[in-house]
Amino acid sequence: DTGVSQDPRHKITKRGQNVTFRCDPISEHNRLYWYRQTLGQGPEFLTYFQNEAQLEKSRLLSDRFSAERPKGSFSTLEIQRTEQGDSAMYLCASSPAGLAPLHFGNGTRLTVT
Amino acid sequence: GQQLNQSPQSMFIQEGEDVSMNCTSSSIFNTWLWYKQEPGEGPVLLIALYKAGELTSNGRLTAQFGITRKDSFLNISASIPSDVGIYFCAGLDSNYQLIWGAGTKLIIKP
Repeated sequence: DTGVSQDPRHKITKRGQNVTFRCDPISEHNRLYWYRQTLGQGPEFLTYFQNEAQLEKSRLLSDRFSAERPKGSFSTLEIQRTEQGDSAMYLCASSPAGLAPLHFGNGTRLTVT
Repeated sequence: GQQLNQSPQSMFIQEGEDVSMNCTSSSIFNTWLWYKQEPGEGPVLLIALYKAGELTSNGRLTAQFGITRKDSFLNISASIPSDVGIYFCAGLDSNYQLIWGAGTKLIIKP
């Protein structure tokens, strides 16, 4: 399978703990996106990378959130000091250059207790 | 900010019926995308539209990019049970950001 891969699929953590998610994009795609989705809503943009450069961050991305894409391939999204409001599906997507469609992974479902 | 109005919010239809949903925007997009999402999974791309007036089919699905570049529709012909899910329209803006509709939930009555 050469689609976007996310790990883990599910994560349950206690409030205040740190969590890290990983995304492996489609190999020839140089753009990588992180989105958050809550039940009944469409995905909300968090941040995106072109190769290793983080080009845009949403205001939703508080200082507890950090994303990296150190070698322009896989990316990690870390949430520090998790809060119950962080519970959501975190989706990763990738795309090639230009106005090309985004291809999504199956997400990481985070539950903060 | 940019917004997409997607309608209807939900549809209850009989198996075999045709389905139509649409999205309108206050802004112009250069690319319109239609995705389907099933529970516990990420959105799956159904159709991508790149030119105003473009009509594209993918099996029983047909989508059109409106002439004004501010709207798009998706039709599903002869619906089947596996068509259930949430359908999202999305416009890709010049900053490579996806602007999403709120989704249309499709429920098929047996």
